[in-house]
Amino acid sequence: GDSVTQMEGPVTLSEEAFLTINCTYTATGYPSLFWYVQYPGEGLQLLLKATKADDKGSNKGFEATYRKETTSFHLEKGSVQVSDSAVYFCALRLINAGGTSYGKLTFGQGTILTVHP
Amino acid sequence: DAGVIQSPRHEVTEMGQEVTLRCKPISGHDYLFWYRQTMMRGLELLIYFNNNVPIDDSGMPEDRFSAKMPNASFSTLKIQPSEPRDSAVYFCASSRDRASTDTQYFGPGTRLTVL
Repeated sequence: GDSVTQMEGPVTLSEEAFLTINCTYTATGYPSLFWYVQYPGEGLQLLLKATKADDKGSNKGFEATYRKETTSFHLEKGSVQVSDSAVYFCALRLINAGGTSYGKLTFGQGTILTVHP
Repeated sequence: DAGVIQSPRHEVTEMGQEVTLRCKPISGHDYLFWYRQTMMRGLELLIYFNNNVPIDDSGMPEDRFSAKMPNASFSTLKIQPSEPRDSAVYFCASSRDRASTDTQYFGPGTRLTVL
């Protein structure tokens, strides 16, 4: 079945450090890929997305590139802040040959990021 | 836009009681999703609706769970009878259409504790 695997956490960094959270996927179709972020006590928010191979999604200094050859969508940020402390979820959403989505998001298990001053 | 609204935000109940969780999707969104989040299983899709019709309920754990969407602006997830293992955070999400680029918008969640 379709699945998403994220690097296990928690990840603890100092402020201004470089961040990478690995994400790989398996899918029977051709997925769109997403990163969601969940701040403490809140729901999930879309951070960035990419819909085809070699697309780069970016937002708030975060980036991820859709790598079809390695089935990966790793999240990176050059300099993290304390306010980036949250849980990060990688997810995929399948589209069919007609280009319309089935609608169902499949999530990874989440990676807890803690950034210290 | 007010975003996806869920109520209550917290619910504490005793085993065997009926629990009803409520969701108001973003106006104009045709898709509504119910998810459950636990430490052990992460985020799981329970059921989703398109234009108020249930499309995929394969994630609903058992017959104790039921979901309805009587109109485009309201959905409920009911657990009857509730059990301690149902304790989790339940999220509702909505999206506009089926396009692959479409974003699902999540509500703040309902934290359910069954004693």
